Order: sequence, then structure tokens, then C-alpha cells
Amino acid sequence: SQTIHQWPATLVQPVGSPLSLECTVEGTSNPNLYWYRQAAGRGLQLLFYSVGIGQISSEVPQNLSASRPQDRQFILSSKKLLLSDSGFYLCAFHTGANEKLFFGSGTQLSVL
Amino acid sequence: GENVEQHPSTLSVQEGDSAVIKCTYSDSASNYFPWYKQELGKGPQLIIDIRSNVGEKKDQRIAVTLNKTAKHFSLHITETQPEDSAVYFCAASKGGSYIPTFGRGTSLIVHP
Repeated sequence: SQTIHQWPATLVQPVGSPLSLECTVEGTSNPNLYWYRQAAGRGLQLLFYSVGIGQISSEVPQNLSASRPQDRQFILSSKKLLLSDSGFYLCAFHTGANEKLFFGSGTQLSVL
Repeated sequence: GENVEQHPSTLSVQEGDSAVIKCTYSDSASNYFPWYKQELGKGPQLIIDIRSNVGEKKDQRIAVTLNKTAKHFSLHITETQPEDSAVYFCAASKGGSYIPTFGRGTSLIVHP
């Protein structure tokens, strides 16, 4: 069966520190991968999506970047975190033939 | 692009009552309409979806209706229970590999 893993679940980082959040998918190949952010517990803001290895599309200009080094691995990064980067980050995927979108369990990031 | 409006933003009901959440969309080419439930601190989970060739779909206590002419769709939850308390998101997409557009979410509170 198809599953998605996202870690860590919780992260507290100081302003100016780097960030790396990882997401992996199992049970499928060549998935479309997504990073979303939720602020204040509501609203899903699409940050990045990828339709293949090394292919990244950015929806919102910001302090973050994404990479897809392997088919089923999606990484969200920052070189220097800002206070405004705090939020709940969600990874999601779907396979091309199935429009159902599956979300990971999320990472609660607090930048202090 | 697609625009999805969702109402109400907050809905408070007594246990056993029915709850209705409504969404409208703008792109007549959209043909797939999923609903997600997000419990506190977790990722959204798909609970029901409907395609444009169907007017209504039921799954136990939840149902979704679609009016393509008016471009609106609704989620109906009957005999609400405290465990139904969560944030619900509607979405619209053109299906396949198209990225869904989400509504802003409805916080449903079911009082015991």
C-alpha cells in the first residue's frame, strides 16, 4: 500500500539557523510531491511541487527551497530561518493516474 | 485559475445535529471535488470525494452533493458526534495530475 512519511513531527529552531524537513513515499513510483504550509491552524498554502526528480516548481517566493534528490524523496530547506517561517508543514503526494491527494502527518516548526 | 470559497469558517453544533459546509468554485473545467478532515496536529485525511458526473455520494453519516450548473458543492454530516470535531477542507481540481485548489477550511465543533 502507498504510505507517506514525514519527519520530524516537532521542531524548535532559533532565528537564522538552517532547516531541513524530509518526506518519503512508499508503495508507488514517480509520484507528484507537494509541500504545503499552514499558519494559525488554517488554510493550506502550496509552497512547492515536483513532478519528477530534480523538477521543482515554486508557488510562493520566500525564504525556503525544495529539492527532490530521489524519486520518492522530497526535502524542504532553508539556509536561515525567519520568525515568519513558523507554521505547520505538510508533505503530500499523488500518483499521476489517481487524483486523490495523500498528506503526511506534518511538522510543527517553531522559530524563536 | 481556480478559486474555491468555503463557508462557514466556524460551525458549532450540538451532538446529534446535522452539519452542512458549503463550497463554490469558479472554473467550470473542474471535475473532481474531494473533502478532507484535519484533526488537531495531524495531516488532512480524505473522507469523501465526488466527480462531476455524479450529483450525490453517501458514505454512512457523510454525504456530498454537487451542483455543476451553480458551481457549488456541499458536505453533509448527520448525527454528529464529538469525534467529528475537526477542520474540514473542500477542494476542486481538473483531475489527474492537476493540483487541487483548497478552500480556507471550516472548523467544526460538536458539543456533547
